[in-house]
Amino acid sequence: TQLLEQSPQFLSIQEGENLTVYCNSSSVFSSLQWYRQEPGEGPVLLVTVVTGGEVKKLKRLTFQFGDARKDSSLHITAAQPGDTGLYLCARHGAGSYQLTFGKGTKLSVIP
Amino acid sequence: ETGVTQTPRHLVMGMTNKKSLKCEQHLGHNAMYWYKQSAKKPLELMFVYNFKEQTENNSVPSRFSPECPNSSHLFLHLHTLQPEDSALYLCASSQNYQTDSRSYEQYFGPGTRLTVT
Repeated sequence: TQLLEQSPQFLSIQEGENLTVYCNSSSVFSSLQWYRQEPGEGPVLLVTVVTGGEVKKLKRLTFQFGDARKDSSLHITAAQPGDTGLYLCARHGAGSYQLTFGKGTKLSVIP
Repeated sequence: ETGVTQTPRHLVMGMTNKKSLKCEQHLGHNAMYWYKQSAKKPLELMFVYNFKEQTENNSVPSRFSPECPNSSHLFLHLHTLQPEDSALYLCASSQNYQTDSRSYEQYFGPGTRLTVT
């Protein structure tokens, strides 16, 4: 089983603070996706990273794919209460369209 | 709105009931998926349909029976469930062109919160 480890598992911060969450694996990803899931809803795709070393920005969110394509990080600048949710990373292996998900990081941003 | 709808949003059923969950995607995708999400566990893939053909059944008990009449609709028929089957059931779809990694991006519905009493 090609596991995805996400850390931290829980994170509670004040509005305006910065944070970084991580997604790691012992094997290489073909591509990696980040999703955000709000309570009672399905996950919503944020970004897909494909190339080692790739950096993508989505407003206050910065996604980085490791050079060796075994890890990824999500950095949020000046967190807001609307960023609260479960952040999931997911990968699919070469030749497979099925995704494997990590357990997620549950983020709470306190006003 | 992600283009994937699920009904009902909430369902309470007894262990002897039969019910069905419905999913519809309006994205023109070729593949559809059922996932189970329980507390403290990662998303668990249950079934995969690609071009209406079931391509994956991840050792799911027979009390869960999927049906995919066309590439836009997916059902999950439930029968004689157990309390431990209580969870959020999510449907997703994706395009799946083998040469394009981004086509594997999955779009999820809002889920059905199932409680088995």
